[in-house]
Amino acid sequence: DAGVIQSPRHEVTEMGQEVTLRCKPISGHNSLFWYRQTMMRGLELLIYFNNNVPIDDSGMPEDRFSAKMPNASFSTLKIQPSEPRDSAVYFCASSELAGESTQYFGPGTRLTVL
Amino acid sequence: AQKVTQAQTEISVVEKEDVTLDCVYETRDTTYYLFWYKQPPSGELVFLIRRNSFDEQNEISGRYSWNFQKSTSSFNFTITASQVVDSAVYFCALEGGSNYKLTFGKGTLLTVNP
Repeated sequence: DAGVIQSPRHEVTEMGQEVTLRCKPISGHNSLFWYRQTMMRGLELLIYFNNNVPIDDSGMPEDRFSAKMPNASFSTLKIQPSEPRDSAVYFCASSELAGESTQYFGPGTRLTVL
Repeated sequence: AQKVTQAQTEISVVEKEDVTLDCVYETRDTTYYLFWYKQPPSGELVFLIRRNSFDEQNEISGRYSWNFQKSTSSFNFTITASQVVDSAVYFCALEGGSNYKLTFGKGTLLTVNP
């Protein structure tokens, strides 16, 4: 079975540009999570969805960040405008049911904002 | 608040040595889950184990074993006869109660030298 799929794997952009990260969860999983990993802050949850509905976005750093899940097999995380401090690895994870099953992670997107 | 502490920032061993990675957690929830994930140099996060708070039995999977002790709020991970391929950053994580996010420790970088 395919795991969580993320694209692109690497993204280099210039400050002020819009960045869109994409995620396809494991088929049949009802919960989807976006995490960010940095050296300073480690791994932190940005937002999670349950049945395509955003449940907790308290980890989204500011209004420049937005996430959507238009259907059960696709989610996006958008940063507009991007800033150098957004440089990090962004992971998407999915689970059958939040709080009751394991979160499986995608390979991550390494974002560099110049 | 939930907290996971991995006091060992880096560990270096020689191949075939046994190594234990420590994890101490804090939570007020009576029901919670503990996890270990492996992050090899390639960057992905690989799920290793999930343990619920009501199951204190130790678990063994091949060369890997886990020791869960509620009395000391610890969930330690031992690799027996370490191999070079075990070199990675290992994260301990906690998911508790109605808080569906994973709270990660800072990670332990394990280097296994030939």
